[in-house]
Amino acid sequence: NAGVTQTPKFRVLKTGQSMTLLCAQDMNHEYMYWYRQDPGMGLRLIHYSVGEGTTAKGEVPDGYNVSRLKKQNFLLGLESAAPSQTSVYFCASAYRVPSYEQYFGPGTRLTVT
Amino acid sequence: GNSVTQMEGPVTLSEEAFLTINCTYTATGYPSLFWYVQYPGEGLQLLLKATKADDKGSNKGFEATYRKETTSFHLEKGSVQVSDSAVYFCALYRGGSNYKLTFGKGTLLTVNP
Repeated sequence: NAGVTQTPKFRVLKTGQSMTLLCAQDMNHEYMYWYRQDPGMGLRLIHYSVGEGTTAKGEVPDGYNVSRLKKQNFLLGLESAAPSQTSVYFCASAYRVPSYEQYFGPGTRLTVT
Repeated sequence: GNSVTQMEGPVTLSEEAFLTINCTYTATGYPSLFWYVQYPGEGLQLLLKATKADDKGSNKGFEATYRKETTSFHLEKGSVQVSDSAVYFCALYRGGSNYKLTFGKGTLLTVNP
């Protein structure tokens, strides 16, 4: 099992450009999450999904969109990148509640200039 | 709402020293509590968990006890190694919170030989 994988690992964007981050999991997990990690801020939840075809907003959803067309994939989109979106992005997945463990991908380091 | 407060870092120790990282939480009812660890350049991975009061989670020599009376879940290890250098995150899950984990801001631990 590959677990949770993220593509790409690194990316540099110019302000106003768009991109999509891909998260894939092969554990048949229902729940998937996108976080951003910034120095001194810990992890903040951007969007999450409780099943195929469903998405919901987290703490910091502005400027991002997501889609979960297939159970194993969770896409995070930036339509018009801003320097404030420079961060490390982590995807996670979880099997179910209440035995609640999230499995994290290795992260994507995004820089917006 | 739910919140997690961790001791501020960074924490620097010599090899074989005793480690304590404090974590307290605010939540109604009986949340599940977790410690996640993030090694340099990697995603988070679950270190240990406890799902009810007085439970002790343990893994790789680390321990934490769920103390309902003090709303705490402090992480301890009797003898740290250089390989324990990482960022440690305390987190909680409270049922009815839309399947979201609430994370602390993380504590950077550096262990010197």
